[in-house]
Amino acid sequence: EIVMTQTPLSLSVTPGQPASISCKSSQSLLRGDGKTYLYWYLQKPGQSPHLLIYEVSNRFSGVPDRFSGSGSGTDFTLRISRVEAEDVGIYYCMQSKQFPRTFGQGTKVDIK
Amino acid sequence: QLVESGGGLVKPGGSLRLSCSASGFDFSDTWMSWVRQAPGKGLECVARIKSEADGATTDYIAPVKGRFIISRDDSKNTLSLQMSSLKTEDTAVYYCTTDLRVNNVGGVFYFYAMDVWGQGTTVTVTS
Repeated sequence: EIVMTQTPLSLSVTPGQPASISCKSSQSLLRGDGKTYLYWYLQKPGQSPHLLIYEVSNRFSGVPDRFSGSGSGTDFTLRISRVEAEDVGIYYCMQSKQFPRTFGQGTKVDIK
Repeated sequence: QLVESGGGLVKPGGSLRLSCSASGFDFSDTWMSWVRQAPGKGLECVARIKSEADGATTDYIAPVKGRFIISRDDSKNTLSLQMSSLKTEDTAVYYCTTDLRVNNVGGVFYFYAMDVWGQGTTVTVTS
């Protein structure tokens, strides 16, 4: 099983300031097809999770461009360039290189 | 869109069957998963079923193997999770979600993972 480790586990951000979340996997998420199966989700309070970023750095449909993803191999980062009030919630990274799909512990983001 | 049903209160050792109705995408061509979230905890993918074209292969995490069965009925666009020998640690919100599907974005093929989620159905196992 691939273990996903996120840091920090919580983040308090002033609106308009940037935020960054790290995600590390216990093994490389690069597959033989040349794709890296790392994804980011946001679960807003009381809601189901929703997809933000696919394959490391691609914003899903409707995701604001203040969200960006980067990384390779085993080290990945989600950045929010200017945090807004609507960005509060728990952010999860997930690998889908193999089953079982595994998630990071989650990073709770709130507004100062 | 995915809509789950079937959650409820059950005693340890009991059984429950969850259903998920899919619409708005090619269900038959999509691998599907069940993801659960225990109260105040993170996300855990418990079972996955591939498409019929890929053999409808099923996979389970160790804690549920032998107790849960994931299945699909492509004629009804429905995903199911039959849960038996339930334990208190199975208490969670269960989400139906797409697992992995390919998308053509500007001529390039990408894999979306879990891009569609249901609203969740709550399973409570207690005596």
